[in-house]
Amino acid sequence: AQSVTQPDIHITVSEGASLELRCNYSYGATPYLFWYVQSPGQGLQLLLKYFSGDTLVQGIKGFEAEFKRSQSSFNLRKPSVHWSDAAEYFCASSRGSNFGNEKLTFGTGTRLTIIP
Amino acid sequence: GAGVSQSPSNKVTEKGKDVELRCDPISGHTALYWYRQSLGQGLEFLIYFQGNSAPDKSGLPSDRFSAERTGGSVSTLTIQRTQQEDSAVYLCASSLERVDQPQHFGDGTRLSIL
Repeated sequence: AQSVTQPDIHITVSEGASLELRCNYSYGATPYLFWYVQSPGQGLQLLLKYFSGDTLVQGIKGFEAEFKRSQSSFNLRKPSVHWSDAAEYFCASSRGSNFGNEKLTFGTGTRLTIIP
Repeated sequence: GAGVSQSPSNKVTEKGKDVELRCDPISGHTALYWYRQSLGQGLEFLIYFQGNSAPDKSGLPSDRFSAERTGGSVSTLTIQRTQQEDSAVYLCASSLERVDQPQHFGDGTRLSIL
C-alpha cells in the first residue's frame, strides 16, 4: 500500500527566508506526486505535480519541488517566503500510469506560519 | 472557467438525520472523487466515479454512506443516520480522464453533527 509521510507538523519561517517542506513516499514503483496548499476554509489548490521526466518541477507562486528516487522524497522549496504563503501544505501520491485515474494518498500536512 | 462547486458550504444537523452533499465538477471532467478531511484522520479517500459508474468505493466507511452521479456531471454524497464521528469537511475533486491530469478540488462542505 502507498503511504506519504510529512515529518513536520508545524514550521515557522521568517518572511523573506527560504523554505523547505519535507515529503517521503512509500511505493515500489515511481508514483505520481503532488503538492497542494490549503488556506483556512478553502479547498486544496494544486501547487505542482511530478509525473515523469525532469526531476525538478516548477509550480505556481514561486514553488518548486525535487523528486529524488534514491531518497523516496519529494520536498517542496521556495527561496523567499511571503506572508501570504502561510497555510497548510499537503503532499500526495497516486500509483501512476498503469492504474488509470487513481485516488490520492495524502500526508498529514505541514502547517506553515510566517513571522515578520 | 468555473471550478468545482460544492453545496452547501456548511451543514449543521442532528444526530440520526440524513444529509445530502452536492458536487458540481468542472465542465468536461469525467472523473470525480470524494474525500473526507477530519482532525483525527486527515484527508481520506471515499469514492471515485468514472462517468456515472464507481469503480472504487473502497473508502466509504460504512453502509450509511452512499454516492451517486447522474448525467456524468453532478454527484451527491448521502450519509444516512448521521453520527457525531461523521463531522468533517467533505471535499470533492474532478479531473480529466487522463492519468497525467491532476485533481482539482472544491472548497468543501463542513458537516457538523450535533
